[in-house]
Amino acid sequence: EAGVAQSPRYKIIEKRQSVAFWCNPISGHATLYWYQQILGQGPKLLIQFQNNGVVDDSQLPKDRFSAERLKGVDSTLKIQPAKLEDSAVYLCASSATGIRNEKLFFGSGTQLSVL
Amino acid sequence: AQSVAQPEDQVNVAEGNPLTVKCTYSVSGNPYLFWYVQYPNRGLQFLLKYITGDNLVKGSYGFEAEFNKSQTSFHLKKPSALVSDSALYFCAVRDVGNYGQNFVFGPGTRLSVLP
Repeated sequence: EAGVAQSPRYKIIEKRQSVAFWCNPISGHATLYWYQQILGQGPKLLIQFQNNGVVDDSQLPKDRFSAERLKGVDSTLKIQPAKLEDSAVYLCASSATGIRNEKLFFGSGTQLSVL
Repeated sequence: AQSVAQPEDQVNVAEGNPLTVKCTYSVSGNPYLFWYVQYPNRGLQFLLKYITGDNLVKGSYGFEAEFNKSQTSFHLKKPSALVSDSALYFCAVRDVGNYGQNFVFGPGTRLSVLP
């Protein structure tokens, strides 16, 4: 089966610019996650979608970050305006619905450098 | 609140020797526990999980993990390390009783297997 697709692979921007990341989860996976992984740290959840509804966005900095999953399939994460501390790898993951289907499938991530 | 600790930033082991990567957790209820591996410039890959049942869980690439409820630990083990096992390893936990709650990842342990 095809894996989780993410683009772009790398992005370099200056602070105060905007940037967008795209994710296409595994076909049929209802749950989609965006994680932020800062160098030397474990992934931190930014937002979780169930189909096209938000389940958890408690750690999303809503003043600058936004995400959508309009048709319950692919998703876009946007940062506007970017700050230096946003430099990180942004990982998208998906999982099937169901209490025991807890395995996360991750994409390769987008490495963001904010200068 | 749930949390995960990985007390070692780095573990070095000689090829052919047994390896252990440590993980301790804290949840209010019963835990779902996971190990993921991250190779350079790649997303996280699932290794194994504990949900219920046998305390010794076997996973991919010859890895296994032992769930110890009294010590709130879930250490990752392999009887004979390979150079190709060198990677970043993450432990993650979720509270069984709260389906809407997200996974929490530990900070990661870098495993280096020396030839």
